[in-house]
Amino acid sequence: DAGVTQSPTHLIKTRGQQVTLRCSPKSGHDTVSWYQQALGQGPQFIFQYYEEEERQRGNFPDRFSGHQFPNYSSELNVNALLLGDSALYLCASSFLGGGADTQYFGPGTRLTVL
Amino acid sequence: AQSVTQLGSHVSVSEGALVLLRCNYSSSVPPYLFWYVQYPNQGLQLLLKYTTGATLVKGINGFEAEFKKSETSFHLTKPSAHMSDAAEYFCAVSLDFGNEKLTFGTGTRLTIIP
Repeated sequence: DAGVTQSPTHLIKTRGQQVTLRCSPKSGHDTVSWYQQALGQGPQFIFQYYEEEERQRGNFPDRFSGHQFPNYSSELNVNALLLGDSALYLCASSFLGGGADTQYFGPGTRLTVL
Repeated sequence: AQSVTQLGSHVSVSEGALVLLRCNYSSSVPPYLFWYVQYPNQGLQLLLKYTTGATLVKGINGFEAEFKKSETSFHLTKPSAHMSDAAEYFCAVSLDFGNEKLTFGTGTRLTIIP
């Protein structure tokens, strides 16, 4: 079992650009959550997807959007990038109702906005 | 709304000494509490969790934590520090068992002195 995988590992963009990050969940998991971890901070919940729909959303602007595919993989899209979007983006997968302790985290994508 | 406060962004202990990482929470309902560890350039790994039942919970790598409702605390301890324990530690809270959204503290960086 490959666990949760994310791509790319690192990404450098400039202000105003758009970015797409990808996540493949652990086998057997149907729910994907995304977190933003700024340098020196704890992860902050962006949103969660289940059955291809956004199930929960944290306090992030509409520039942050996502998608879940029938195979449960997910994308995080960020439009009009700001310097403050520079962070480690973590994907976590779980199965709905299984509890937060069933959540497995991927290694993250480090986004740098110049 | 729930929140987590981790006292001490940096903690240094000598190898073989007691490790104590502090976490206090705020929650309007009985919380589910977690400790995660993050090694450099890696995602988050679950150390231990408190859901219901016994208030002293044991986790991986010799760590344990005690849920104290009266003190709204969930401090992480390890009797004897090992060099491999050097990492970032995050305390997190979830509102209910089926709600996988986690709210994290800002983290504590643990340094082990040889």
